Amino acid sequence: KQEVTQIPAALSVPEGENLVLNCSFTDSAIYNLQWFRQDPGKGLTSLLLIQSSQREQTSGRLNASLDKSSGRSTLYIAASQPGDSATYLCAARSSGTYKYIFGTGTRLKVLA
Amino acid sequence: DTAVSQTPKYLVTQMGNDKSIKCEQNLGHDTMYWYKQDSKKFLKIMFSYNNKELIINETVPNRFSPKSPDKAHLNLHINSLELGDSAVYFCASSGSGSSYNEQFFGPGTRLTVL
Repeated sequence: KQEVTQIPAALSVPEGENLVLNCSFTDSAIYNLQWFRQDPGKGLTSLLLIQSSQREQTSGRLNASLDKSSGRSTLYIAASQPGDSATYLCAARSSGTYKYIFGTGTRLKVLA
Repeated sequence: DTAVSQTPKYLVTQMGNDKSIKCEQNLGHDTMYWYKQDSKKFLKIMFSYNNKELIINETVPNRFSPKSPDKAHLNLHINSLELGDSAVYFCASSGSGSSYNEQFFGPGTRLTVL
C-alpha cells in the first residue's frame, strides 16, 4: 500500500534562498509522481510531473528529482520569492493503478 | 479557456438534504477523479472514472454516488448529508499515455453542512 510523506510540514525562509522540499513514498513501483502548489482557498496547480523512467524535470526556477530506489522525490526552488508562498503537495501514482496518493504537504512561507 | 470547472463553488445546506456537484473538463481527457480535502488539508481520492467506467471506488459511504454521463463530465451526488461531509471537494482529470497523464484540478467546491 502506497504511503506518501512530506517533510517538513512547514518552512519559513527569507527571500532569495534556495530551498528543497522532500517527498517520500513507500512503494517504489511508481508510475509517476506529480508536484502541485495550492494557494489558500484555491485549487491545485500542477508544477511538474516526473515519469518513472525520468530522473528529473525542470520548469523555470523549479527542479524536481525522482529516486525510486530510495523512495524519494525532491522539489528544488531556486531564488525563492514571496510569491512562492503556498502549500506544496506531491502525489504518487503506483504502477498498474490510476490512483494517486497525496502527501500531507509542506506549507512554505517566503519572507520579503 | 481550457480547464476543469466545477459548480457550485460554495454549497451551504442543512443536515439530511441531498445535493449534487458538477464537474466538466474540456481538455479531452478520458479519466476524471473526485477528491475530498478535509479540514486538515489532507487530500484523499474518492472515485475515478475512465471512459465513463468506474475504476476507483474508495471506502466512501454509499450516500455518495458519482455519475459520468460522458467523458467530459463527472458529477457527485450526496444523499442525506451529514456534518462530517463538510469539506472541499475537488474534481480532476488526466489523459492517457505517459505524456498526457498529468492531473489538472478544478477550483473546488466548499461544502458546509449545518
